[in-house]
Amino acid sequence: NAGVTQTPKFRILKIGQSMTLQCTQDMNHNYMYWYRQDPGMGLKLIYYSVGAGITDKGEVPNGYNVSRSTTEDFPLRLELAAPSQTSVYFCASSYSSQGARYEQYFGPGTRLTVT
Amino acid sequence: DAKTTQPPSMDCAEGRAANLPCNHSTISGNEYVYWYRQIHSQGPQYIIHGLKNNETNEMASLIITEDRKSSTLILPHATLRDTAVYYCIACSHNQGGKLIFGQGTELSVKP
Repeated sequence: NAGVTQTPKFRILKIGQSMTLQCTQDMNHNYMYWYRQDPGMGLKLIYYSVGAGITDKGEVPNGYNVSRSTTEDFPLRLELAAPSQTSVYFCASSYSSQGARYEQYFGPGTRLTVT
Repeated sequence: DAKTTQPPSMDCAEGRAANLPCNHSTISGNEYVYWYRQIHSQGPQYIIHGLKNNETNEMASLIITEDRKSSTLILPHATLRDTAVYYCIACSHNQGGKLIFGQGTELSVKP
C-alpha cells in the first residue's frame, strides 16, 4: 500500500491564483481530513469527510473548498490564493466502524507559498 | 474537545526512558487521550491512545491517572530517531475523529 499520497510536494502561487491540492488513499478508509500547519504551530483542521459525498467544516475552512466523489480521493481547492494561506498542508485518513475510531494516517504534506 | 497542556520542550539521554507528561484536567468521560508525533517536517504519526486503562504497544506505553486529568507517554528506550514534536490530544469518538492539535512537546534525544 502507498498509504496517503499528496501532490504536488511544493507549489508557489501568486496572489489571486487558484489551485487544487490532491490527496489519495489506498487503504479503503472512510474518513479523510485536511489540515494546515503554519511555522512553529500545531496542525489545524480545515475540512473533513466521513464518506463519499459527505464533507464538513473544521476549525479554519474559510478560503477553501473540498469535494469527496470517491472513497479514495479528497481534493482541496484554493479559489483566490492569499498570503495568509502560505502553509504546509497535510491530508489524513482513518477507518471508523460502528463508532470506534482508529488512528489517522497522514500524507507527506504539500508546501505552499503564496506571494 | 478538552484542552491539553504539555511542556514546550524536554531533553532525554539516548537509551534512557523518555516520560512526556500531558495535563487534560477538563477531559470528559467519552474523550480518549491520543498521542501523535511529528518528526521534522513530516506528517504526524500515530503512537498510541487510551480511555482510562494503561496501554502499551510496540512504540510506547500510556499511563492515565485514575481521575483521567493527566497522562504520561513513555518511550522506554529513547533513540536519536525519537527526536520529534509529541502531541497529546483529547478526542471524542463522536465528533468525526477530529483532532485538535496544540503546540506539543519538542523532545530532543541526545547522545
